[in-house]
Amino acid sequence: AQSVTQLDSQVPVFEEAPVELRCNYSSSVSVYLFWYVQYPNQGLQLLLKYLSGSTLVESINGFEAEFNKSQTSFHLRKPSVHISDTAEYFCAVSEYRGGSEKLVFGKGTKLTVNP
Amino acid sequence: DAEITQSPRHKITETGRQVTLACHQTWNHNNMFWYRQDLGHGLRLIHYSYGVQDTNKGEVSDGYSVSRSNTEDLPLTLESAASSQTSVYFCASSEWASGASDTQYFGPGTRLTVL
Repeated sequence: AQSVTQLDSQVPVFEEAPVELRCNYSSSVSVYLFWYVQYPNQGLQLLLKYLSGSTLVESINGFEAEFNKSQTSFHLRKPSVHISDTAEYFCAVSEYRGGSEKLVFGKGTKLTVNP
Repeated sequence: DAEITQSPRHKITETGRQVTLACHQTWNHNNMFWYRQDLGHGLRLIHYSYGVQDTNKGEVSDGYSVSRSNTEDLPLTLESAASSQTSVYFCASSEWASGASDTQYFGPGTRLTVL
C-alpha cells in the first residue's frame, strides 16, 4: 500500500523568502502525485498534480513541484512567498489499481508567512 | 456554478446519539468520498462511492456508514457517536474520467464535537 511522508509539520518563513515543502512517497506501482492547499477554515483545493510527461509541474500562483522517481519525492517550491500563501499544504498519492482512485494524504505542512 | 456543500457546518452532540452529516454535489460526479481531519493525522478516508448503490470502506470506517441512493448525495451516519469521533469531516467528489488522476473537489467541512 502506498504512503506519504511530509517531513515538516510546520514551516515558518518571512515574506519574499523562498520555501520548499518536502514530500516523499512509497508505492510498489506507478503513481500520480498531488499537492492540495487548505486555507484557514476552508476545504482543500488542488494546487497542482503530476500525471506523466515533464517532471516539473507548475501552479497558477507561482508554486512548482518536481517529481523525482529515484528519490520517490515530490517537493513543492516557491521562489518568493506572500502573506497570502499562509495555509496548510497536503501532499497526496494515488495508485491506479483496477479502477480504484483513492487518494492517500500526508499529514500536512503548515506554512506560515510572516511580514 | 457547480459546487459541493455540507451541512451542518457545526454540530455538537452527545455520546451514543446517531448523527447524520449531509453532503450534496452539483458537479454530477460519479465518485464521492468522506474524510476526517485530525491534528497530526492529516486526512483519512472513511468511506467512498463510485456510483449509485456503490459504497466501500476506507481506512477508518468503524462506527460510520454511508448510502448512495442518487448521484448528488452521500450522507455519512455515525451510528452511535463516540468522543473519538470528534473531528472535522470533509466530503469530496470527482468525475470518473481518467481514473486515478482525477482531481477531487472538497466541501467546506463539518466540525463535529461529541460530548
